[in-house]
Amino acid sequence: GENVEQHPSTLSVQEGDSAVIKCTYSDSASNYFPWYKQELGKGPQLIIDIRSNVGEKKDQRIAVTLNKTAKHFSLHITETQPEDSAVYFCAASMKSGGSYIPTFGRGTSLIVHP
Amino acid sequence: EAQVTQNPRYLITVTGKKLTVTCSQNMNHEYMSWYRQDPGLGLRQIYYSMNVEVTDKGDVPEGYKVSRKEKRNFPLILESPSPNQTSLYFCASRGGGTARQPQHFGDGTRLSIL
Repeated sequence: GENVEQHPSTLSVQEGDSAVIKCTYSDSASNYFPWYKQELGKGPQLIIDIRSNVGEKKDQRIAVTLNKTAKHFSLHITETQPEDSAVYFCAASMKSGGSYIPTFGRGTSLIVHP
Repeated sequence: EAQVTQNPRYLITVTGKKLTVTCSQNMNHEYMSWYRQDPGLGLRQIYYSMNVEVTDKGDVPEGYKVSRKEKRNFPLILESPSPNQTSLYFCASRGGGTARQPQHFGDGTRLSIL
């Protein structure tokens, strides 16, 4: 099955700095890569996703890059703000038995210091 | 408002006492799933369902049961809970059938089994 590694497990930055979270996956059949943000006491919420026919996608301060050859993808947050503090999960999905089944990374706790 | 609703949000119970965590979604989604979240282990899938009366095991199904009699509901059943099932549980749903779509998560159920 698919295996997703996510690094770092904890990331501490100063407000205004950039933050980068990296994930690698093992199965080249994976072709959908969502990123989720989990705030305290809440469930994960999608913040951005990328499909394997695209190398990069941006949405305001967040961007995701995908390198299919190397089987890794990254989340980039620029001009971080205290409200970006949360746990972030990457996931890799591949088609299995008629549906897309995601495998999640173990999460990165991002702390943005004011 | 589109949402996934889990109940209860918190539960403390004792070993061996059967319990059910309910999950309901109002988005007419075909796909629903259950995850448990443990520190350092991220999100691990327990069971998933691709449609009514269709369920399948995820990565950690031991000790759990599910049913999908209606499209909107996907309850998680612990027939004989044990302390190692103390965890934070999330229900999620996704539309689109075979499409590459993100999941919508509930706000979680924190179970403590003594």
